[in-house]
Amino acid sequence: RKEVEQDPGPFNVPEGATVAFNCTYSNSASQSFFWYRQDCRKEPKLLMSVYSSGNEDGRFTAQLNRASQYISLLIRDSKLSDSATYLCVVNKDTNDYKLSFGAGTTVTVRA
Amino acid sequence: DAGITQSPRHKVTETGTPVTLRCHQTENHRYMYWYRQDPGHGLRLTHYSYGVKDTDKGEVSDGYSVSRSKTEDFLLTLESATSSQTSVYFCAISESVGNYEKLFFGSGTQLSVL
Repeated sequence: RKEVEQDPGPFNVPEGATVAFNCTYSNSASQSFFWYRQDCRKEPKLLMSVYSSGNEDGRFTAQLNRASQYISLLIRDSKLSDSATYLCVVNKDTNDYKLSFGAGTTVTVRA
Repeated sequence: DAGITQSPRHKVTETGTPVTLRCHQTENHRYMYWYRQDPGHGLRLTHYSYGVKDTDKGEVSDGYSVSRSKTEDFLLTLESATSSQTSVYFCAISESVGNYEKLFFGSGTQLSVL
């Protein structure tokens, strides 16, 4: 079983729609959780951290469910510019290099 | 922008030849990393460095070596490239942001081994 699993998608949504997807992780001792965004042929960039209580950044909402070992990302009022691959990243423990990356969920927003 | 430059951006080479990828950073970050990214896989760590001359292996280190003789430069070497090492390689640094260490990536090197 992969340490971090994501539905690869693609999630094809119209502009203005809401899209949500999850990421599951296998190590219950995982401490930190992040969503990164990667545009085609570009480097990943940090989108947001995921806090235990859930957090929001503009149109983006991230949630953590430790009991079921998943994190989620919800995008409201989707824009064309939201089209990207979203990478789930989980820190296994306090050593930063022990990050596990999901293979990504692709979102395509259409006009 | 975390001041990370990777070179070359693209490289085509033949099986069995040595290849060195360079990562250069301008902001004196202590930690540097090399990842490879392949379709269907998440980014996978080959090596990381926690200071000059201090390096360690990641989860996919076979066939790779690294060196860090200066804070600003982290080199990844494929001693004898194989077709399975065809990939996109990203260098990263980590930076403290709030309560977490966050990764910032270079633009990547597309390596093709024929």
